[in-house]
This record gives sequence, structure tokens and C-alpha cells, in this order.
Amino acid sequence: SQKIEQNSEALNIQEGKTATLTCNYTNYSPAYLQWYRQDPGRGPVFLLLIRENEKEKRKERLKVTFDTTLKQSLFHITASQPADSATYLCALGRSNYQLIWGAGTKLIIKP
Amino acid sequence: DAGITQSPRHKVTETGTPVTLRCHQTENHRYMYWYRQDPGHGLRLIHYSYGVKDTDKGEVSDGYSVSRSKTEDFLLTLESATSSQTSVYFCAISESEAQETQYFGPGTRLLVL
Repeated sequence: SQKIEQNSEALNIQEGKTATLTCNYTNYSPAYLQWYRQDPGRGPVFLLLIRENEKEKRKERLKVTFDTTLKQSLFHITASQPADSATYLCALGRSNYQLIWGAGTKLIIKP
Repeated sequence: DAGITQSPRHKVTETGTPVTLRCHQTENHRYMYWYRQDPGHGLRLIHYSYGVKDTDKGEVSDGYSVSRSKTEDFLLTLESATSSQTSVYFCAISESEAQETQYFGPGTRLLVL
């Protein structure tokens, strides 16, 4: 069956360091992948989308990579700040418009 | 939250009662979605709409129905609430048929006793 895995354990990072989150998938051929941020008690907020033919996408301090051979996406936040603390969700979309979501990884940036 | 409101924001109800959740958007987006979010699970699609009166089932549609009589409103009804439907419900909108770049509402926390 199709499966998306994000690290269920919280990731603790020191302020100023680079945080790297992982999204792995199996039995799936995504057309694109999205990353969202979710704060407690709020809805997810779209951050970045990367397509299957793109290796890397950047937006300010955010960078996403997409390796269809490894079936993995990495989400990086450089120069991390306590305000970056949140849960980050990945979602894989297929060409038939089916979207499958990971359960998210909680990121904690310590001052 | 990109011009999306959900009501109510919190609700406690009893097993067997019908419940209707409302999603209202001011963005004039064509596509609207209802998800549920449970601990340890990714967001799961319940139903979606691709236009007024045009709806389709998602991954976990059993026990739920939807209606969209106006572009801006998408209603989710739990026909006879069960404890397994205790969850946080999110509405989302998108301009894209491919579900790219979705904008989410603030969510409704539903407790079924």
C-alpha cells in the first residue's frame, strides 16, 4: 500500500542551526510534493511545492529537495529561529490529483 | 487563514445526533475540501467539491455527507455522529484541480460523547 513517513519524534534544534526534516514514501510515484506548516490549534499553511522533475526549490530560509530515486524529500530551514517551531507536514500529489498526507514532524527550536 | 472561516469552532455532541459543520470562503476558489485530522495520522480527505452542486467522495467518506449550494459555502454533515468521528475537521480551498497550494480554515474540534 502507499505509505508516507515523517519522523514521529520531535526534532530539537539549537537556534541558528539548520533544521532538516524528512519525508519518505513507498509504493508511490508522486507528480509533486508539498510542505506545510501547522501551529497548534490552527490549520496548515502552505510553504513550498516541488515537482517530480525539480531537484531543489528555495524560498527565503527554506529549501526543499526531492529525490525520486531515493523516494525522499528533505525540508531545510537555515538559520532557524524559535518562531520556526511548529509541526511540518508533507503531502504527495499524483497525476490523478490524489493527495496523500504525512502525519507531520514537530520541530522545536531552542534559544 | 486566507478568507476561510469554519463554524462552529468547537462542538460537543452525543452519539446518534446529526451534526453540520460549515465552511465559508471569500476567495471564490472553485475547489473545496473537508479533511479530518487525528493524532498519528495524516490529514484524511472526507469529501471534496469541484463546483456548485458538484461533490465527490474522499478516502474516509462513510458516515459523512456534504452539500455545496453556493460557491462560498461547503457544508459537512455527520448523519448520526459516532465516537469514532471525534476529531478535528479542516476545510480547505484551492484554485487548482490538482490540489496544489491548499488554503486551510482554522478547524472545528468535534467531540462525540
